[in-house]
Amino acid sequence: RKEVEQDPGPFNVPEGATVAFNCTYSNSASQSFFWYRQDCRKEPKLLMSVYSSGNEDGRFTAQLNRASQYISLLIRDSKLSDSATYLCVVNWDSNYQLIWGAGTKLIIKP
Amino acid sequence: GAVVSQHPSRVICKSGTSVKIECRSLDFQATTMFWYRQFPKQSLMLMATSNEGSKATYEQGVEKDKFLINHASLTLSTLTVTSAHPEDSSFYICSAIGESSYNEQFFGPGTRLTVL
Repeated sequence: RKEVEQDPGPFNVPEGATVAFNCTYSNSASQSFFWYRQDCRKEPKLLMSVYSSGNEDGRFTAQLNRASQYISLLIRDSKLSDSATYLCVVNWDSNYQLIWGAGTKLIIKP
Repeated sequence: GAVVSQHPSRVICKSGTSVKIECRSLDFQATTMFWYRQFPKQSLMLMATSNEGSKATYEQGVEKDKFLINHASLTLSTLTVTSAHPEDSSFYICSAIGESSYNEQFFGPGTRLTVL
């Protein structure tokens, strides 16, 4: 089983719609969780850190479900500029190593 | 936010040559830097972790003699791909964490290496 799993997509979503995707992780001792966004041929950029209580930043909401070992990302009122690959990242030990999911591709259509 | 630069952004070289990629933290001191490789449509794969002043820790399957990492200062790490071959063509990305960041990595813009 992969350590961090994501649905690769692509998710084709009309502009203005709400879209959500999940990411599952295998290590129950995982401590830190992140969502990164990566545009084609660019480096990943941190979108959100995921806290135990969940957090919201504008149109983006991230949540953590420790019992089921997944994190989610919800995007409301999607924009064309949201088209990108969203990478789920998990860290589960005291060093700084991150385990990356393969990413979920999101395409927002006008 | 913290800025990490990489140089060069793109390099094309002949098979058998060596290529050096620099990663710099511009406005903070990076205690730890990471080197990743990303093949098309795949996730980032960690190659090695380097701490300033000590030898890099390589991930399983990554040849340390082929991918030489030097982290001589708190703001600079270099990755040298020695005797590069076409299968080494990839997107190489470095990241850095500073003393004040908590598990947050700041990424360089990446270097696209093409070996002919």
